[in-house]
Amino acid sequence: GENVEQHPSTLSVQEGDSAVIKCTYSDSASNYFPWYKQELGKRPQLIIDIRSNVGEKKDQRIAVTLNKTAKHFSLHITETQPEDSAVYFCAASKRNTPLVFGKGTRLSVIA
Amino acid sequence: SAVISQKPSRDICQRGTSLTIQCQVDSQVTMMFWYRQQPGQSLTLIATANQGSEATYESGFVIDKFPISRPNLTFSTLTVSNMSPEDSSIYLCSVISGANVLTFGAGSRLTVL
Repeated sequence: GENVEQHPSTLSVQEGDSAVIKCTYSDSASNYFPWYKQELGKRPQLIIDIRSNVGEKKDQRIAVTLNKTAKHFSLHITETQPEDSAVYFCAASKRNTPLVFGKGTRLSVIA
Repeated sequence: SAVISQKPSRDICQRGTSLTIQCQVDSQVTMMFWYRQQPGQSLTLIATANQGSEATYESGFVIDKFPISRPNLTFSTLTVSNMSPEDSSIYLCSVISGANVLTFGAGSRLTVL
């Protein structure tokens, strides 16, 4: 089955700097790659996703890139703010199968 | 996206007892899943709740320990049976809705003493 690896497990950045989180997946048939943000004590919330027919997607300060050949995808957050501090999970799935999640990255934005 | 109501939101349980978690969705959904999130860990899929048939369990999870019901397209229950402290976790109901997006309920935080 699918296996998703996520790095780093923790990341600290200064406010205003950029943060990058990377994930790799094992199943070349996977075609959907979402990113979830989980604040302390809350449910995971989808922040951005990308499908395999697209190489990059951007939504304001966040962007996701996908390299299908290398089977990796990344989350980029620019101009980080303290409210970006949370745990971020990447995930992968193929059609009609459940999401498999990475182990998460705890991002701390230091003011 | 779908609105998911999950209850209880939290509970403290005694070892050896069982607890049933309910998940109600505000619209009919085909795919409904139960995930577990142990303290400080990632999200692990327990099973896919199938309407009208037995749930599909992931490796490491069995029906006797985590029986699931799915009587219709808007409701499901997960029971955690014969609980031990190792079952202390957050259990999350989730559904696929809208543009094929997975949405989570607020979770049920179980503490087993």
